[in-house]
Amino acid sequence: NAGVTQTPKFRVLKTGQSMTLLCAQDMNHEYMYWYRQDPGMGLRLIHYSVGEGTTAKGEVPDGYNVSRLKKQNFLLGLESAAPSQTSVYFCASTQDRVGYNEQFFGPGTRLTVL
Amino acid sequence: EDQVTQSPEALRLQEGESSSLNCSYTVSGLRGLFWYRQDPGKGPEFLFTLYSAGEEKEKERLKATLTKKESFLHITAPKPEDSATYLCAVQAEWGKLSFGAGTTVTVRA
Repeated sequence: NAGVTQTPKFRVLKTGQSMTLLCAQDMNHEYMYWYRQDPGMGLRLIHYSVGEGTTAKGEVPDGYNVSRLKKQNFLLGLESAAPSQTSVYFCASTQDRVGYNEQFFGPGTRLTVL
Repeated sequence: EDQVTQSPEALRLQEGESSSLNCSYTVSGLRGLFWYRQDPGKGPEFLFTLYSAGEEKEKERLKATLTKKESFLHITAPKPEDSATYLCAVQAEWGKLSFGAGTTVTVRA
């Protein structure tokens, strides 16, 4: 089991460029999440999905879009990157069963927008 | 709005010097409090889930406790390998977590 994997690990963008971050999980989890982590602010939820074909906004969704076409994959897109989007991005997944909903995290993607 | 505050921001310990980390929270209807460990350059790793006041869980040198307003993570006789950032998160709505900013623990040999 690879668990949760993220591609790429590092990326540098110029302001205005676009990119897609890929998250994959092999645990057959229903729920998937995208977070960003900034110094002193903890993890903040960007978007999440409760199942294939569904997405919902989290705490800080502006400037990001997501898609969940397959159950195992969750994509995060930046259409026009801004320096404020420089951050470390984490994907996570969990089962939706009540009482057993620990989130499993990927290794992260470090994004720098110049 | 759910709020999670962790203190202190940083903690430097001598090997063997026990201490506690605090996580205070404000949430309407707690459905679980989670502790994670995060090593530099890596994703958070799950440690514990606590569901009700009075509950305690242990794992090696770590012990987590929960009251109605806060949780403590006790580190007993820490070793250098316990150095990490410890994150607290609360779940008020099924499937969604609100995280604190974390406490960075450094244990010197």
